Amino acid sequence: SAVISQKPSRDICQRGTSLTIQCQVDSQVTMMFWYRQQPGQSLTLIATANQGSEATYESGFVIDKFPISRPNLTFSTLTVSNMSPEDSSIYLCSVYTGQIYGYTFGSGTRLTVV
Amino acid sequence: GIQVEQSPPDLILQEGANSTLRCNFSDSVNNLQWFHQNPWGQLINLFYIPSGTKQNGRLSATTVATERYSLLYISSSQTTDSGVYFCAVGNFGNEKLTFGTGTRLTIIP
Repeated sequence: SAVISQKPSRDICQRGTSLTIQCQVDSQVTMMFWYRQQPGQSLTLIATANQGSEATYESGFVIDKFPISRPNLTFSTLTVSNMSPEDSSIYLCSVYTGQIYGYTFGSGTRLTVV
Repeated sequence: GIQVEQSPPDLILQEGANSTLRCNFSDSVNNLQWFHQNPWGQLINLFYIPSGTKQNGRLSATTVATERYSLLYISSSQTTDSGVYFCAVGNFGNEKLTFGTGTRLTIIP
């Protein structure tokens, strides 16, 4: 299955600043998915990133707050903008790798906003 | 959208015990996966099992797609099995997964 390298693994940020999270996949994939996991909660999809087009955002998530780039078929970034303590979460990227392994996830970015 | 419920929400067991975790979903799916989230937040893929039964060591899973549920069996539990177990479902490849509510498993030495 695909291997995803996600950076940073964790960060502590000041409110009002922005953080960019990177995901690099070791093979070309059509779509990449970004999820958020708030403390003690399940995972929720933020957006789907397709190379060469604008990301598709789920209800409750907007591009101004979570801009996404997808410059090629192996890389994507998610920016968490103008952060507040409510943005403290684990952020994970994911790709679909086929009918044997299904979806694979990056190791996650644990974000704390103070 | 599709609803995914897992039970029990919490489970505390002695080391060596067996356990069964359940995932119910509200609509037909052709993707279903079980994940283990370890205490560091990493999501480990356990099984891709839209139907049928699979086994991997002490773990096995069964999905009965026609009845919209899946079961994860853990035998001879070890402390390293502790964490949160999620099932996630979806339709077709390259479409989003909807995650269940999770089961928090704690294995006591």
